[in-house]
Amino acid sequence: ETGVTQTPRHLVMGMTNKKSLKCEQHLGHNAMYWYKQSAKKPLELMFVYNFKEQTENNSVPSRFSPECPNSSHLFLHLHTLQPEDSALYLCASRMKPGQGLAGANVLTFGAGSRLTVL
Amino acid sequence: RKEVEQDPGPFNVPEGATVAFNCTYSNSASQSFFWYRQDCRKEPKLLMSVYSSGNEDGRFTAQLNRASQYISLLIRDSKLSDSATYLCVVSSGGGADGLTFGKGTHLIIQP
Repeated sequence: ETGVTQTPRHLVMGMTNKKSLKCEQHLGHNAMYWYKQSAKKPLELMFVYNFKEQTENNSVPSRFSPECPNSSHLFLHLHTLQPEDSALYLCASRMKPGQGLAGANVLTFGAGSRLTVL
Repeated sequence: RKEVEQDPGPFNVPEGATVAFNCTYSNSASQSFFWYRQDCRKEPKLLMSVYSSGNEDGRFTAQLNRASQYISLLIRDSKLSDSATYLCVVSSGGGADGLTFGKGTHLIIQP
């Protein structure tokens, strides 16, 4: 266990379904992220939350909706997805950069949620 | 030019051999550099940070060449368990999240 827990690990959904991915971290980090990993592509940053405030949205379609109720929990709500959205969705956390802490830039990833959209 | 570029491989290497691969980055203002390892169907995990003076951790050595804008990873006496994809990660330090990932280099250690 890395200290970042993602559920569910696997999800199959139809294009009309609504589902949510959950991420929880127990590392005391104050920044959380959603990444998308597709085959043969680099990790794509989707959303960033610092101190539970969204600070970045990398032009992600509105069918993906993040929610960060506190600095330990992060959700990704999914609605009317497309088959090309099938991918591994990785949650990560770290300490906010710039605080002079060793390892502040180091990301810790969860095991990922593998999503298949039919 | 892609921001972070890696040879995707696969590199097929016999057990016990030494293997090295590079990663080039385009942003000269990049400040921090890392190698992550990702096993098949698992999450990326930090292998090592890359310091300006170079650093070594057991069989693994990382080097940074700022003039030519690349970092390297050398694995000595390779083990079967070293088979994985190695991701190069570069941080520009700007904003919350100037981390950019390469596509990764796939390494296969053969018995």
